[in-house]
Amino acid sequence: QKEVEQDPGPLSVPEGAIVSLNCTYSNSAFQYFMWYRQYSRKGPELLMYTYSSGNKEDGRFTAQVDKSSKYISLFIRDSQPSDSATYLCAMSTNNAGNMLTFGGGTRLMVKP
Amino acid sequence: DAGVTQSPTHLIKTRGQQVTLRCSPKSGHDTVSWYQQALGQGPQFIFQYYEEEERQRGNFPDRFSGHQFPNYSSELNVNALLLGDSALYLCASSSAPGSGSPLHFGNGTRLTVT
Repeated sequence: QKEVEQDPGPLSVPEGAIVSLNCTYSNSAFQYFMWYRQYSRKGPELLMYTYSSGNKEDGRFTAQVDKSSKYISLFIRDSQPSDSATYLCAMSTNNAGNMLTFGGGTRLMVKP
Repeated sequence: DAGVTQSPTHLIKTRGQQVTLRCSPKSGHDTVSWYQQALGQGPQFIFQYYEEEERQRGNFPDRFSGHQFPNYSSELNVNALLLGDSALYLCASSSAPGSGSPLHFGNGTRLTVT
């Protein structure tokens, strides 16, 4: 069993929909949680960075962390075709400058 | 403000050969990490360099080695290439470990081993 599990998708939604992306993990020592977006043939781009449990909002993006359930989520409101990409969750046991453990990524397609 | 830059962008090698990949960190960053991303999977941590020393290492064999230079740039070397080494190799930079700085990734080097 992998330390971080993520549904690979693909997830296909119409433009304007609310998207929910999720990861589960097994290591209770994880404290820092990140979401990266990766377009085809590009490197991962940091979207959200949170510490411990709670919510964080940035524009159309909201990240939620539930450490008691070992479950994290990323919500995208008013999804756009430009949001079509692979979304990777990542987490670490200490400051994010150190080793990250990634999920396998969820491929999202937003159709006009 | 230049981000993380990697070279080359693509590379084709034969089994048994050796390869060197290069990375320049984002301006202001002094820590470099390397990740391997197989097709359809998430990146896997190889190792991290800070102050020209390897600080952490993932579950990769000794065929994978690295170096960091005084200007913070870094190289990843892979010896005795295997077909399974074919992947996207990502470099990520950050401020010093413990600073709370998140990782910023380059666009990677796509290595194909035939």
